[in-house]
Amino acid sequence: DQQVKQNSPSLSVQEGRISILNCDYTNSMFDYFLWYKKYPAEGPTFLISISSIKDKNEDGRFTVFLNKSAKHLSLHIVPSQPGDSAVYFCAASGPGAQKLVFGQGTRLTINP
Amino acid sequence: NAGVTQTPKFQVLKTGQSMTLQCAQDMNHNSMYWYRQDPGMGLRLIYYSASEGTTDKGEVPNGYNVSRLNKREFSLRLESAAPSQTSVYFCASTTNRGLVYGYTFGSGTRLTVV
Repeated sequence: DQQVKQNSPSLSVQEGRISILNCDYTNSMFDYFLWYKKYPAEGPTFLISISSIKDKNEDGRFTVFLNKSAKHLSLHIVPSQPGDSAVYFCAASGPGAQKLVFGQGTRLTINP
Repeated sequence: NAGVTQTPKFQVLKTGQSMTLQCAQDMNHNSMYWYRQDPGMGLRLIYYSASEGTTDKGEVPNGYNVSRLNKREFSLRLESAAPSQTSVYFCASTTNRGLVYGYTFGSGTRLTVV
């Protein structure tokens, strides 16, 4: 049972526009959510996170939105840059959890 | 540089061969993890070690064994490799509070079983 789902395997966006990556989860006990970015031949790197007590968290060009009632989170990148081309994973954990559950990933391509 | 080091970076095995993937971290993290990444499947947890001396199964443990050798090192062993174990393997580590700060990942081991 896939508890964290990224239903879009790929996304293509023009440079300078907004990129929106989506993630859905099924476990209502999840209370912390993270986004990771992965370049080819490298390990994933932490990008931004959000606690369930918030509905929005910003860090520069990156904003994560959380809709608990819909069990949905999204990552907005504005403006999109060529260096943002990568695979993005969302991840979640619950209270006292010792591990993260990851989604399938979305490959973002920023076109010049 | 501080971080998570995985060896080897690439490996080709024949079906039935065994091998051990090595992972070491120098950040004094308590928890360590092994994930595999497959196309369309994301990152799936194989085994983890919440602290030195403990190990637990993750989502896909069959065909693997692990050893938490000390606080720094966490190895993953394939006793009899199968083509289904062809994947990219990532080791990660974090502090006890690390789920708030996320994991630090190694750069991965690309394993092909023929």
